[in-house]
Amino acid sequence: QKEVEQDPGPLSVPEGAIVSLNCTYSNSAFQYFMWYRQYSRKGPELLMYTYSSGNKEDGRFTAQVDKSSKYISLFIRDSQPSDSATYLCAMSAKSGGGADGLTFGKGTHLIIQP
Amino acid sequence: DADVTQTPRNRITKTGKRIMLECSQTKGHDRMYWYRQDPGLGLRLIYYSFDVKDINKGEISDGYSVSRQAQAKFSLSLESAIPNQTALYFCATSDFYRTGYGYTFGSGTRLTVV
Repeated sequence: QKEVEQDPGPLSVPEGAIVSLNCTYSNSAFQYFMWYRQYSRKGPELLMYTYSSGNKEDGRFTAQVDKSSKYISLFIRDSQPSDSATYLCAMSAKSGGGADGLTFGKGTHLIIQP
Repeated sequence: DADVTQTPRNRITKTGKRIMLECSQTKGHDRMYWYRQDPGLGLRLIYYSFDVKDINKGEISDGYSVSRQAQAKFSLSLESAIPNQTALYFCATSDFYRTGYGYTFGSGTRLTVV
């Protein structure tokens, strides 16, 4: 079983829809959770991070962590064509990545149709 | 100017050639990483360095070597390139104390070995 599972997509939704992106993980030691957005031919950029369980909101984006289910989600409200990108989840047992670094999901390719 | 700069952006090289990919950063971060990204495999850690005197192997270090010339510079070498090293290579930086949890990535080097 992979440490972090993420559906590669592509996920195609109409503009204005609510998007839900998800990752599951197996390592119960993970407590720092991140979402990165990667546009084509660019490096990943940090979108959101959360510590332990709970929700965090930033504009149209909400990150949700359920440690009991080992499941994290990213919700995008009022999706825009400019949100079309690959979204990678990442997680770590230690702040700053620690000696083991971050463990990444493989990314979900999201397409927002105008 | 970008916080994390990778050179070259694109490179085509022949099997057996030695090639160096360079990374420099202006963020003042002490930690630097090299990843490769392949379709369907996601990001995989090659090497990482927590300071100038600290170099560590990652998940897939065979066939690669690194040099941390200064706090701001971290280069990746392929001593004898082979076709399955064709990939997108990313340098990343982090700072435990100032950035908390996330990495800053460069824009990547697309390497093709023919």
